[in-house]
Amino acid sequence: AQSVTQLGSHVSVSEGALVLLRCNYSSSVPPYLFWYVQYPNQGLQLLLKYTSAATLVKGINGFEAEFKKSETSFHLTKPSAHMSDAAEYFCAVSDSDDKIIFGKGTRLHILP
Amino acid sequence: DTGVSQDPRHKITKRGQNVTFRCDPISEHNRLYWYRQTLGQGPEFLTYFQNEAQLEKSRLLSDRFSAERPKGSFSTLEIQRTEQGDSAMYLCASRPSQRGHTQYFGPGTRLTVL
Repeated sequence: AQSVTQLGSHVSVSEGALVLLRCNYSSSVPPYLFWYVQYPNQGLQLLLKYTSAATLVKGINGFEAEFKKSETSFHLTKPSAHMSDAAEYFCAVSDSDDKIIFGKGTRLHILP
Repeated sequence: DTGVSQDPRHKITKRGQNVTFRCDPISEHNRLYWYRQTLGQGPEFLTYFQNEAQLEKSRLLSDRFSAERPKGSFSTLEIQRTEQGDSAMYLCASRPSQRGHTQYFGPGTRLTVL
């Protein structure tokens, strides 16, 4: 069975500092991996997606994530945080584009 | 491209009542998905359709829940005899059926069962 573990339900970073959101996955088959962002009272927006084409995946809004098979990790990073990045972030795994398994989410707080 | 739309955005009901939600996918998206998101949790897969055919249902989808997509366009999710535990955000997503296309999510319907 596939699963996702997000480390830290809340993460706070200062504006301009590095953002690092951690995600570990479990999958018996080569996975598709996703990061989604959810702003208050809105639906989910795809930040980026890994499908085995390249281990470093670049997404929207300056985010990127690196797939590390040996560590079963897919951590999300951004070099410099903006106030507008404050939101909830979900890591997710799937063996296709259909049934997506989401983590519990990490709420990112940006400190001025 | 108007995006995935859901109606209503908010629904408050009393325990035991039936409720129905509607999802309009992006035009020409063959696949349509329903997820449920409770407070403090990530979305959980409920079911999905390829056109009008329901291809998979989660164990989370109890007998009180039914989803339809009669003409392969919009979909409805009905909950009968609502319980307080049904309070959640119900999310709909759609995508083209070709491999490699990702799901686009709607804004959700927030259900509160009193």
